[in-house]
Amino acid sequence: SQTIHQWPATLVQPVGSPLSLECTVEGTSNPNLYWYRQAAGRGLQLLFYSVGIGQISSEVPQNLSASRPQDRQFILSSKKLLLSDSGFYLCAWRQDNYGYTFGSGTRLTVV
Amino acid sequence: LAKTTQPISMDSYEGQEVNITCSHNNIATNDYITWYQQFPSQGPRFIIQGYKTKVTNEVASLFIPADRKSSTLSLPRVSLSDTAVYYCLAPMNRDDKIIFGKGTRLHILP
Repeated sequence: SQTIHQWPATLVQPVGSPLSLECTVEGTSNPNLYWYRQAAGRGLQLLFYSVGIGQISSEVPQNLSASRPQDRQFILSSKKLLLSDSGFYLCAWRQDNYGYTFGSGTRLTVV
Repeated sequence: LAKTTQPISMDSYEGQEVNITCSHNNIATNDYITWYQQFPSQGPRFIIQGYKTKVTNEVASLFIPADRKSSTLSLPRVSLSDTAVYYCLAPMNRDDKIIFGKGTRLHILP
């Protein structure tokens, strides 16, 4: 069966520190992968999506970046976090005929 | 990529049937309609998907009229645990990026 793993679940980082969030998918190959961010009480904002290894599309200009070094691995990074980067980060992949499956999310607090 | 519009919030009572309507006036011929449910601090969860007429599963029903410009998610006999945000999505092409609207915040009262 297909599963999606996202970690860590929570993270507290100081302003200016780097960030690396990882998402991996099991049980499928060549999935479309997505990173979303959700501010408290707000909707989901698409940050990046990838249709294959090394292929990254950015939706929102910011100090975040994404990489896809392997078929089933999607990484969200930042060199220097800002306070405004705080939020709930979600990874998702597309599951044919049944829509999209989301990871459990990472709650990032930048202090 | 069909833009969707749905009510920002709704209130209902336990045991009632709740219907949430979403409009997607420019839906493409090959687009499916998918609904998701999101609880606080969790990722959205797939509820139901349909293309036309009526689809029913163990959680909900989805009604889609012939012109497919809208759809209605029906939750039978809601409980307090159905309090969540519900999102309607229209695109289902493989390479489409998913754009979520603001969803409908459903609040179930005792």
